[in-house]
Amino acid sequence: AQRVTQPEKLLSVFKGAPVELKCNYSYSGSPELFWYVQYSRQRLQLLLRHISRESIKGFTADLNKGETSFHLKKPFAQEEDSAMYYCALILGNTDKLIFGTGTRLQVFP
Amino acid sequence: SQTIHQWPATLVQPVGSPLSLECTVEGTSNPNLYWYRQAAGRGLQLLFYSVGIGQISSEVPQNLSASRPQDRQFILSSKKLLLSDSGFYLCAWSRSRGTGELFFGEGSRLTVL
Repeated sequence: AQRVTQPEKLLSVFKGAPVELKCNYSYSGSPELFWYVQYSRQRLQLLLRHISRESIKGFTADLNKGETSFHLKKPFAQEEDSAMYYCALILGNTDKLIFGTGTRLQVFP
Repeated sequence: SQTIHQWPATLVQPVGSPLSLECTVEGTSNPNLYWYRQAAGRGLQLLFYSVGIGQISSEVPQNLSASRPQDRQFILSSKKLLLSDSGFYLCAWSRSRGTGELFFGEGSRLTVL
Protein backbone atom coordinates (compact mmCIF):
# COMPACT_ATOMS: atom_id res chain seq x y z
CA ALA A 1 0.00 0.00 0.00
CA GLN A 2 1.13 3.53 -0.66
CA ARG A 3 2.45 5.33 2.36
CA VAL A 4 4.56 8.32 3.34
CA THR A 5 6.57 8.09 6.54
CA GLN A 6 8.17 10.95 8.43
CA PRO A 7 9.86 9.36 11.43
CA GLU A 8 10.58 12.55 13.35
CA LYS A 9 7.78 14.50 15.01
CA LEU A 10 10.13 17.25 16.13
CA LEU A 11 13.53 18.39 14.98
CA SER A 12 15.35 21.11 16.90
CA VAL A 13 18.51 22.81 15.67
CA PHE A 14 20.40 26.03 16.24
CA LYS A 15 20.58 28.76 13.65
CA GLY A 16 23.32 28.05 11.13
CA ALA A 17 23.26 24.30 11.66
CA PRO A 18 22.45 21.89 8.81
CA VAL A 19 18.95 20.47 8.64
CA GLU A 20 17.67 17.18 7.24
CA LEU A 21 13.99 16.31 7.47
CA LYS A 22 13.47 12.65 6.67
CA CYS A 23 10.81 11.25 4.40
CA ASN A 24 10.40 7.68 3.18
CA TYR A 25 7.70 6.40 0.88
CA SER A 26 6.13 3.16 -0.18
CA TYR A 27 4.67 3.11 -3.66
CA SER A 28 4.59 0.54 -6.43
CA GLY A 29 4.50 3.02 -9.29
CA SER A 30 6.78 5.83 -10.37
CA PRO A 31 6.67 8.31 -7.47
CA GLU A 32 6.10 12.03 -7.61
CA LEU A 33 6.97 13.63 -4.31
CA PHE A 34 6.50 17.01 -2.72
CA TRP A 35 7.32 18.97 0.40
CA TYR A 36 4.68 21.23 1.90
CA VAL A 37 5.26 23.75 4.69
CA GLN A 38 3.01 25.46 7.21
CA TYR A 39 4.42 28.50 8.97
CA SER A 40 2.80 29.78 12.14
CA ARG A 41 -0.60 31.34 11.41
CA GLN A 42 -0.27 30.70 7.69
CA ARG A 43 -1.85 28.25 5.32
CA LEU A 44 -0.27 25.02 4.30
CA GLN A 45 1.59 25.62 1.04
CA LEU A 46 3.81 23.88 -1.44
CA LEU A 47 7.53 24.25 -0.78
CA LEU A 48 9.05 22.18 -3.55
CA ARG A 49 8.47 19.24 -5.84
CA HIS A 50 11.07 16.66 -6.82
CA ILE A 51 10.30 16.84 -10.51
CA SER A 52 11.40 20.48 -10.63
CA ARG A 53 14.77 19.75 -9.05
CA GLU A 54 14.71 23.26 -7.62
CA SER A 55 16.04 24.95 -4.50
CA ILE A 56 13.47 26.98 -2.60
CA LYS A 57 14.48 29.16 0.36
CA GLY A 58 17.73 27.23 0.41
CA PHE A 59 15.99 23.86 0.72
CA THR A 60 16.61 20.95 -1.64
CA ALA A 61 15.28 17.43 -1.79
CA ASP A 62 16.57 14.56 -3.88
CA LEU A 63 14.52 11.53 -4.77
CA ASN A 64 16.42 8.34 -3.97
CA LYS A 65 14.51 5.45 -5.49
CA GLY A 66 16.92 2.86 -4.12
CA GLU A 67 16.28 3.98 -0.56
CA THR A 68 12.70 5.14 -1.31
CA SER A 69 13.50 8.44 0.33
CA PHE A 70 12.95 12.12 -0.33
CA HIS A 71 14.73 13.91 2.49
CA LEU A 72 14.56 17.69 2.75
CA LYS A 73 17.87 19.41 3.38
CA LYS A 74 19.23 22.86 4.07
CA PRO A 75 22.90 23.53 4.83
CA PHE A 76 22.34 26.47 7.20
CA ALA A 77 19.05 26.76 9.07
CA GLN A 78 17.46 30.14 9.74
CA GLU A 79 15.01 31.04 12.49
CA GLU A 80 12.34 31.77 9.89
CA ASP A 81 12.53 28.14 8.77
CA SER A 82 10.70 27.13 11.94
CA ALA A 83 7.49 25.52 10.72
CA MET A 84 5.63 22.26 10.20
CA TYR A 85 6.87 20.30 7.19
CA TYR A 86 4.90 17.61 5.38
CA CYS A 87 6.14 15.20 2.77
CA ALA A 88 3.54 14.15 0.18
CA LEU A 89 3.14 11.61 -2.61
CA ILE A 90 0.83 11.90 -5.58
CA LEU A 91 -1.01 8.75 -6.57
CA GLY A 92 -0.70 7.45 -10.09
CA ASN A 93 -2.70 9.22 -12.73
CA THR A 94 -4.82 11.01 -10.17
CA ASP A 95 -4.38 14.35 -8.48
CA LYS A 96 -4.75 12.79 -5.05
CA LEU A 97 -1.99 13.54 -2.58
CA ILE A 98 -1.26 11.53 0.52
CA PHE A 99 0.74 13.17 3.26
CA GLY A 100 3.08 12.02 5.98
CA THR A 101 2.51 12.81 9.63
CA GLY A 102 4.68 15.91 9.48
CA THR A 103 7.82 17.11 11.25
CA ARG A 104 7.96 20.27 13.28
CA LEU A 105 11.23 22.09 12.77
CA GLN A 106 12.36 24.45 15.52
CA VAL A 107 15.35 26.67 14.81
CA PHE A 108 16.77 28.33 17.91
CA PRO A 109 18.76 31.57 17.78
CA SER B 1 -6.30 35.41 -8.93
CA GLN B 2 -7.68 32.31 -7.28
CA THR B 3 -8.89 32.23 -3.71
CA ILE B 4 -10.37 29.62 -1.46
CA HIS B 5 -12.73 30.33 1.40
CA GLN B 6 -13.66 27.94 4.13
CA TRP B 7 -16.14 28.45 6.97
CA PRO B 8 -16.89 28.44 9.76
CA ALA B 9 -13.39 28.80 11.18
CA THR B 10 -14.41 27.38 14.54
CA LEU B 11 -17.32 25.22 15.51
CA VAL B 12 -18.35 23.60 18.78
CA GLN B 13 -21.11 21.05 18.45
CA PRO B 14 -22.74 18.49 20.77
CA VAL B 15 -22.56 14.79 20.02
CA GLY B 16 -25.38 13.73 17.76
CA SER B 17 -25.85 17.12 16.13
CA PRO B 18 -25.47 17.70 12.37
CA LEU B 19 -22.49 19.29 10.68
CA SER B 20 -21.98 21.41 7.61
CA LEU B 21 -18.62 22.87 6.64
CA GLU B 22 -18.50 24.83 3.45
CA CYS B 23 -15.71 25.58 1.02
CA THR B 24 -15.78 27.72 -2.11
CA VAL B 25 -13.15 28.52 -4.70
CA GLU B 26 -13.02 31.67 -6.79
CA GLY B 27 -11.10 32.57 -9.89
CA THR B 28 -10.85 29.15 -11.51
CA SER B 29 -13.14 26.61 -13.12
CA ASN B 30 -13.41 22.84 -12.86
CA PRO B 31 -10.97 22.53 -9.97
CA ASN B 32 -10.23 19.31 -8.14
CA LEU B 33 -11.49 19.69 -4.57
CA TYR B 34 -10.35 17.98 -1.41
CA TRP B 35 -11.28 17.62 2.23
CA TYR B 36 -8.46 16.67 4.60
CA ARG B 37 -8.42 16.21 8.35
CA GLN B 38 -5.33 17.32 10.19
CA ALA B 39 -4.72 15.60 13.52
CA ALA B 40 -1.70 15.76 15.77
CA GLY B 41 0.50 12.74 15.23
CA ARG B 42 -1.57 11.58 12.28
CA GLY B 43 -0.73 14.20 9.74
CA LEU B 44 -3.11 15.06 6.95
CA GLN B 45 -5.66 12.41 6.15
CA LEU B 46 -7.48 12.65 2.82
CA LEU B 47 -11.21 12.28 3.45
CA PHE B 48 -12.85 13.17 0.14
CA TYR B 49 -11.75 14.02 -3.37
CA SER B 50 -13.83 15.44 -6.20
CA VAL B 51 -13.02 15.97 -9.86
CA GLY B 52 -16.38 17.46 -10.83
CA ILE B 53 -19.95 18.26 -9.82
CA GLY B 54 -21.53 15.30 -8.10
CA GLN B 55 -18.33 13.24 -8.38
CA ILE B 56 -17.10 12.37 -4.91
CA SER B 57 -14.50 9.81 -3.95
CA SER B 58 -14.56 8.77 -0.30
CA GLU B 59 -11.12 7.80 0.83
CA VAL B 60 -11.75 6.42 4.29
CA PRO B 61 -14.83 4.90 5.95
CA GLN B 62 -16.25 7.37 8.38
CA ASN B 63 -19.18 9.22 9.77
CA LEU B 64 -18.85 12.09 7.32
CA SER B 65 -20.06 12.75 3.79
CA ALA B 66 -19.24 15.31 1.12
CA SER B 67 -21.17 16.94 -1.67
CA ARG B 68 -20.34 19.17 -4.59
CA PRO B 69 -23.51 20.92 -5.67
CA GLN B 70 -21.71 23.48 -7.80
CA ASP B 71 -18.43 23.50 -9.67
CA ARG B 72 -16.58 25.51 -7.05
CA GLN B 73 -18.43 24.53 -3.90
CA PHE B 74 -17.53 21.61 -1.66
CA ILE B 75 -19.47 20.75 1.49
CA LEU B 76 -18.52 18.42 4.32
CA SER B 77 -21.45 17.07 6.30
CA SER B 78 -22.58 14.74 9.00
CA LYS B 79 -26.04 13.81 10.17
CA LYS B 80 -24.90 12.90 13.68
CA LEU B 81 -21.53 13.93 15.00
CA LEU B 82 -19.34 11.64 17.08
CA LEU B 83 -16.69 12.65 19.58
CA SER B 84 -14.10 11.20 17.24
CA ASP B 85 -15.10 13.69 14.54
CA SER B 86 -13.34 16.46 16.45
CA GLY B 87 -10.40 17.83 14.54
CA PHE B 88 -9.06 20.40 12.13
CA TYR B 89 -10.54 20.17 8.65
CA LEU B 90 -8.84 21.58 5.61
CA CYS B 91 -10.35 22.20 2.22
CA ALA B 92 -8.06 22.44 -0.78
CA TRP B 93 -8.22 22.79 -4.54
CA SER B 94 -5.90 21.99 -7.43
CA ARG B 95 -6.03 22.47 -11.15
CA SER B 96 -7.45 19.50 -13.00
CA ARG B 97 -4.61 17.41 -14.42
CA GLY B 98 -2.40 19.59 -12.34
CA THR B 99 1.11 19.35 -11.04
CA GLY B 100 0.36 18.17 -7.51
CA GLU B 101 0.14 21.65 -6.10
CA LEU B 102 -2.75 21.99 -3.70
CA PHE B 103 -4.01 25.34 -2.46
CA PHE B 104 -5.37 25.11 1.03
CA GLY B 105 -8.00 27.03 2.91
CA GLU B 106 -7.48 28.35 6.39
CA GLY B 107 -9.16 25.39 8.02
CA SER B 108 -12.10 24.75 10.32
CA ARG B 109 -11.62 23.56 13.88
CA LEU B 110 -14.43 21.31 15.00
CA THR B 111 -14.90 20.37 18.64
CA VAL B 112 -17.55 17.80 19.43
CA LEU B 113 -18.60 17.75 23.10
